[in-house]
Amino acid sequence: AQSVAQPEDQVNVAEGNPLTVKCTYSVSGNPYLFWYVQYPNRGLQFLLKYITGDNLVKGSYGFEAEFNKSQTSFHLKKPSALVSDSALYFCAVNSGNTPLVFGKGTRLSVIA
Amino acid sequence: ETGVTQSPTHLIKTRGQQVTLRCSSQSGHNTVSWYQQALGQGPQFIFQYYREEENGRGNFPPRFSGLQFPNYSSELNVNALELDDSALYLCASSLGRGGGAYEQYFGPGTRLTVT
Repeated sequence: AQSVAQPEDQVNVAEGNPLTVKCTYSVSGNPYLFWYVQYPNRGLQFLLKYITGDNLVKGSYGFEAEFNKSQTSFHLKKPSALVSDSALYFCAVNSGNTPLVFGKGTRLSVIA
Repeated sequence: ETGVTQSPTHLIKTRGQQVTLRCSSQSGHNTVSWYQQALGQGPQFIFQYYREEENGRGNFPPRFSGLQFPNYSSELNVNALELDDSALYLCASSLGRGGGAYEQYFGPGTRLTVT
């Protein structure tokens, strides 16, 4: 069965500092990996995905993520955090035609 | 290009009642997925529709059912509501059947409260 682990419920970072939100996954077959962001009282917004190819993928709003097959990880990163990045971040995985499985989410708080 | 819309925004129902939630897909998308997001949790897959047919179902009882219409809009119906059904219900549309490499575009959700 597929699964996603986001080991941190909350990540705090100062504005201007780099941020990392961690994600590890378990899946049979080749993974398709996604990051979504959720602002209060809103649906999920797609940030980026890894399907194949370059292990470093770039997405919206300056976010990027690195796929590491040996560590089964797909950590989300941004070189310089903004207060407006404060939100709930979800990692998700599927493989082939299986349904998307989400992690429990990590709340990012960027402090001015 | 119109995004995914859902109605209603909020809903309060009594245990045992039935509810219908509605979703309009993003233009050009033929696949709709429904998710339940309980407080403090990630979205849980309920089921998916592709070109008006159910195309995969998560671990939800049969009282959760759905429809997809020729214009690719969709409904989620829940019968015999239970207190644990209280959650944010999210609809997402995408291109392509099944999971796959296509990103999903989410609506703002319907907040259902069962009392």
